[in-house]
Amino acid sequence: GESVGLHLPTLSVQEGDNSIINCAYSNSASDYFIWYKQESGKGPQFIIDIRSNMDKRQGQRVTVLLNKTVKHLSLQIAATQPGDSAVYFCAEAYSGNTPLVFGKGTRLSVIA
Amino acid sequence: DAGITQSPRHKVTETGTPVTLRCHQTENHRYMYWYRQDPGHGLRLIHYSYGVKDTDKGEVSDGYSVSRSKTEDFLLTLESATSSQTSVYFCAISANQQGNYGYTFGSGTRLTVV
Repeated sequence: GESVGLHLPTLSVQEGDNSIINCAYSNSASDYFIWYKQESGKGPQFIIDIRSNMDKRQGQRVTVLLNKTVKHLSLQIAATQPGDSAVYFCAEAYSGNTPLVFGKGTRLSVIA
Repeated sequence: DAGITQSPRHKVTETGTPVTLRCHQTENHRYMYWYRQDPGHGLRLIHYSYGVKDTDKGEVSDGYSVSRSKTEDFLLTLESATSSQTSVYFCAISANQQGNYGYTFGSGTRLTVV
């Protein structure tokens, strides 16, 4: 089983609905943000990224919104599918010379 | 995951024994990272490397050492394993510190210290 998800906040959504996963980041100087998806038994996989000079970026069925005023990042998934069930992490980079720092994650559970 | 492999995938070891985990990449990326993942803590950085023989500590480096003698391999060693080091360990690689499109992660090593 996936023991890393035991203490995570969980978001449950109906298949076909839109999902919004939120992340509060820690450093106002962070200038690069990434969302990762982690399926059970696998490593995290890149979904979408955004630089601090943007407030919105869209991918295929996903949108990332950045609100620097309140240090908040969100991931929107349109028409959520069972395959979207996973743990989602946000990550931030303080500068070009520091490693990514990851949030604790949110588990998304899609109800068919 | 393409270009990065971790070994072993699973390991059970006894308290006090040394353990080495291996990360191997075929992407020729400069940066390599070791993270551990635990319930309630997400991914926490142990050590990272920015080139051959160039390494630095992360947030949770106590009890761990690393070595990188060639570009493609990054080894994580637990000199004397403790139960608190039971975790899932992930290696990641990137071409630069932030990563173009972030880091690429391996599939993880589940380590149990009994």
